[in-house]
Amino acid sequence: GENVEQHPSTLSVQEGDSAVIKCTYSDSASNYFPWYKQELGKRPQLIIDIRSNVGEKKDQRIAVTLNKTAKHFSLHITETQPEDSAVYFCAASKFGNEKLTFGTGTRLTIIP
Amino acid sequence: KAGVTQTPRYLIKTRGQQVTLSCSPISGHRSVSWYQQTPGQGLQFLFEYFSETQRNKGNFPGRFSGRQFSNSRSEMNVSTLELGDSALYLCASSFGEGEAFFGQGTRLTVV
Repeated sequence: GENVEQHPSTLSVQEGDSAVIKCTYSDSASNYFPWYKQELGKRPQLIIDIRSNVGEKKDQRIAVTLNKTAKHFSLHITETQPEDSAVYFCAASKFGNEKLTFGTGTRLTIIP
Repeated sequence: KAGVTQTPRYLIKTRGQQVTLSCSPISGHRSVSWYQQTPGQGLQFLFEYFSETQRNKGNFPGRFSGRQFSNSRSEMNVSTLELGDSALYLCASSFGEGEAFFGQGTRLTVV
């Protein structure tokens, strides 16, 4: 089955700097890659996703890049703010198959 | 538009008991998936229902079961509870093609 690895497990950045979280997946048939943000005690919130026919997608300060050949995708957050502090999860699935395989999460801390 | 609603929010059960959790998806969504979240194992897929049919199943024992009703609401049942079943149980709904949205979860504690 699919296996998703996520790095780093913890990340601290100064407010205003950029943060990058990386994931690799094993199943070359996976073609849908969402990212979720989970604040303490709250539900995972979908923040951005990308499908395999696209190499990059941006939404304001966040962007996701996908390298299908290398089977990895990354989340980029620019101009980080204290409210970006949370645990971020990457996931992979086959479009139309709702089984999401999650990475182990990255705890992002923004230092004011 | 109402989000995904899970009830109850918290449950405390004794080993050996059974429990039923409920999930009401976003209106119009036909797919409901269930996940178990624990500090040690992270987010693990339990099963997915689409139009009342189980479409996918994860690697959990048969004590974990679910169903979906004609209005897309879903229930998850865990029988013969074990201490290791203590977790946050999350459901997610979607149209069936990506973009899954999670409920706030049910925190189950087995004592």
